[in-house]
Amino acid sequence: DAKTTQPTSMDCAEGRAANLPCNHSTISGNEYVYWYRQIHSQGPQYIIHGLKNNETNEMASLIITEDRKSSTLILPHATLRDTAVYYCIVRRGAAGNKLTFGGGTRVLVKP
Amino acid sequence: GAVVSQHPSWVICKSGTSVKIECRSLDFQATTMFWYRQFPKQSLMLMATSNEGSKATYEQGVEKDKFLINHASLTLSTLTVTSAHPEDSSFYICGGMGETQYFGPGTRLLVL
Repeated sequence: DAKTTQPTSMDCAEGRAANLPCNHSTISGNEYVYWYRQIHSQGPQYIIHGLKNNETNEMASLIITEDRKSSTLILPHATLRDTAVYYCIVRRGAAGNKLTFGGGTRVLVKP
Repeated sequence: GAVVSQHPSWVICKSGTSVKIECRSLDFQATTMFWYRQFPKQSLMLMATSNEGSKATYEQGVEKDKFLINHASLTLSTLTVTSAHPEDSSFYICGGMGETQYFGPGTRLLVL
């Protein structure tokens, strides 16, 4: 699976949009981009995933560049409860394929 | 999203004893389940992948005789840490494969 690169940490203001970048320049055609987050001392929580089109759900939006070498997770209105480590993961599309977690981005939402 | 439970949520045991952790998919059937381990301030590390009714596939460096995995049904997988030692103290997390991978809340193991 392709390796991803994320900033180690970032702060954002409560109520503002949080934009989390992820670089996956070696992604191949059958690999999806997944985003999970882990709030302290809990299991990871699925956020969103996509292949090449932009995706939106009740939690976030995922913007994937046309060349698919990078993506951005957008939390539209960050709240204090969004403070967590966010993981960008690239995974082959076949069901049952494992997720490989990198270091993630530690996001701190400040009042 | 789908719900995965783990039991117990935390456990303290003496060195040399065995500990069993249960992982259940509550509202979906998980043909494949994954077991991860997470040390403080580190990321999740995959230990093994289990498929219902077959032997688990362990990641390199994970001792299969020490970390016994059983996936006897589509909703239950168990991880048994045999002869636990203090270095096995960690946060163990399971994941079940539904539409995507959903994770349990984790089990914190402390071996004294």
